[in-house]
Amino acid sequence: GENVEQHPSTLSVQEGDSAVIKCTYSDSASNYFPWYKQELGKRPQLIIDIRSNVGEKKDQRIAVTLNKTAKHFSLHITETQPEDSAVYFCAASKETGYALNFGKGTSLLVTP
Amino acid sequence: GAVVSQHPSWVICKSGTSVKIECRSLDFQATTMFWYRQFPKQSLMLMATSNEGSKATYEQGVEKDKFLINHASLTLSTLTVTSAHPEDSSFYICSARLAGVVYFGPGTRLTVT
Repeated sequence: GENVEQHPSTLSVQEGDSAVIKCTYSDSASNYFPWYKQELGKRPQLIIDIRSNVGEKKDQRIAVTLNKTAKHFSLHITETQPEDSAVYFCAASKETGYALNFGKGTSLLVTP
Repeated sequence: GAVVSQHPSWVICKSGTSVKIECRSLDFQATTMFWYRQFPKQSLMLMATSNEGSKATYEQGVEKDKFLINHASLTLSTLTVTSAHPEDSSFYICSARLAGVVYFGPGTRLTVT
């Protein structure tokens, strides 16, 4: 089955700096790669996703890049703010009908 | 966006009893729903795939006789934890997919005493 590795497990940055979280996946058939933000005790919230026919996608301060050949994808958050502090999960799956396989998560702390 | 609800949001039960958790897609039909379990400070681990009108597909290591899943309609899947033990205490989250996007329920915090 699919195996998703995520690094780093913890990340501390100063407000205004950029944060980068990286994931690799094992199943070359995976073609959907979402990123979720989870605050303590709450449901994961989708922040951005990318499909395999696209190499990069950006939404304001958040961007995701995908390298299908190398089987890795990354989340980039620019101009970080304290409210960005949360746990971020990457995931991978095939399309409709298949479950998401999650990375172990990255605890991001943005200090003022 | 699409809404997925869960009930209850939290439940405390005694060891040996059973507890049922409901997952509903509120404004769309979901032929497939997914159940995850999340222990503190850990990732979401897929437990099973719930298919409307047919048997659920369980992940390796998940006891199907202990975690009973029923997906009787296109908007409701239930997870019943039978003969609960303290080690079953966890955050249980369901999800459903609509137009290629996965939406999560708010989760159910189960504490077994």
